Amino acid sequence: TQLLEQSPQFLSIQEGENLTVYCNSSSVFSSLQWYRQEPGEGPVLLVTVVTGGEVKKLKRLTFQFGDARKDSSLHITAAQPGDTGLYLCAGAPPGGYQKVTFGTGTKLQVIP
Amino acid sequence: EAGVTQSPTHLIKTRGQQATLRCSPISGHTSVYWYQQALGLGLQFLLWYDEGEERNRGNFPPRFSGRQFPNYSSELNVNALELEDSALYLCASSWAGQGYNSPLHFGNGTRLTVT
Repeated sequence: TQLLEQSPQFLSIQEGENLTVYCNSSSVFSSLQWYRQEPGEGPVLLVTVVTGGEVKKLKRLTFQFGDARKDSSLHITAAQPGDTGLYLCAGAPPGGYQKVTFGTGTKLQVIP
Repeated sequence: EAGVTQSPTHLIKTRGQQATLRCSPISGHTSVYWYQQALGLGLQFLLWYDEGEERNRGNFPPRFSGRQFPNYSSELNVNALELEDSALYLCASSWAGQGYNSPLHFGNGTRLTVT
């Protein structure tokens, strides 16, 4: 069973601060996705990373896939209240997408 | 394009009863996934259906079952409900043809409360 551990589990910061969320596993993934979930809604895909060492930027969000494709990080610069939500990483096993494993989640609160 | 729709939005049942949750995928998507989200944190994989067949199953007891209909909509059934079954049940769809990069499109979930 592939497990994805996210840290921290909870994070409360002031508007304008920077933060990093980590997603770690002992297993190799063929791809890794990051989702954001807001209260009362389902998760929404932010990005997919496929290549070891890959870095993708989405405005103030920077996503990195580890060289060994076992871990990933999400860095937010100058956090805003609109960034508040649950961040989930999800890894697809090699050989197929059949059973994507979701991480334990990081709840972010950005205080105005 | 209509998104993934789930019904009902909320469901309250008594311990021992059965619950039926429904999901309509995005048009053109043949794969439907079911996840359980308890305590507002990580998602636990329940079931995956594609082209009407159950393709994979998570570590849940047999009282969690489901099916996919010819129009690709899906139903999740939970028998003999227990208090710990209280959770948000999320349905997602994808187009299997995109392979492992295919993103999951989620509905807004059914909040099941067992009393």
